[in-house]
Amino acid sequence: GQNIDQPTEMTATEGAIVQINCTYQTSGFNGLFWYQQHAGEAPTFLSYNVLDGLEEKGRFSSFLSRSKGYSYLLLKELQMKDSASYLCAVVDSNYQLIWGAGTKLIIKP
Amino acid sequence: DAMVIQNPRYQVTQFGKPVTLSCSQTLNHNVMYWYQQKSSQAPKLLFHYYDKDFNNEADTPDNFQSRRPNTSFCFLDIRSPGLGDAAMYLCATSREGGGVDEQFFGPGTRLTVL
Repeated sequence: GQNIDQPTEMTATEGAIVQINCTYQTSGFNGLFWYQQHAGEAPTFLSYNVLDGLEEKGRFSSFLSRSKGYSYLLLKELQMKDSASYLCAVVDSNYQLIWGAGTKLIIKP
Repeated sequence: DAMVIQNPRYQVTQFGKPVTLSCSQTLNHNVMYWYQQKSSQAPKLLFHYYDKDFNNEADTPDNFQSRRPNTSFCFLDIRSPGLGDAAMYLCATSREGGGVDEQFFGPGTRLTVL
């Protein structure tokens, strides 16, 4: 079967750095997305990785290791507005998008 | 601004009473998707259209149907809603299919079944 694993919930402090991990077992791989979803709202696109390595975009960075089936989303200088769920989604060999259940990130002052 | 619009934002229906959710897009994207998302769960793909080519996910219940009368509009029909169908319904679009394009989501319709 196909599987995406993310921690259910994480807590971090305002101003700090947090790393949200995602591991996947899918039939093939054609890229990995990270989306942010605030409570009661729709997901919004954060990043797409298809090659190994780190991609930085402002306070957010996303890392991919295809050989390990592993990605992480790194959030720096955390702000209260970063409290949200972060969804990892993998494109499999059939170009279907397989979604993880998301990691709920709680930011404390 | 180009966007994905869903109406209504909140929908209440009675057990077994048909309901239709609507989605429109001004992005001129080829692909439109309908997802069901329950609390703290991954979005579950129900249907997607590449242009007017309809694709039904294998495990989408027969109770759900969809229509895309033109490029801009897409509808989700729930013929006989049950309590288990209470969820957030998300419409999304992408420029092309194949899963590798960023998906743009509407604000969602939260369905309550009484």
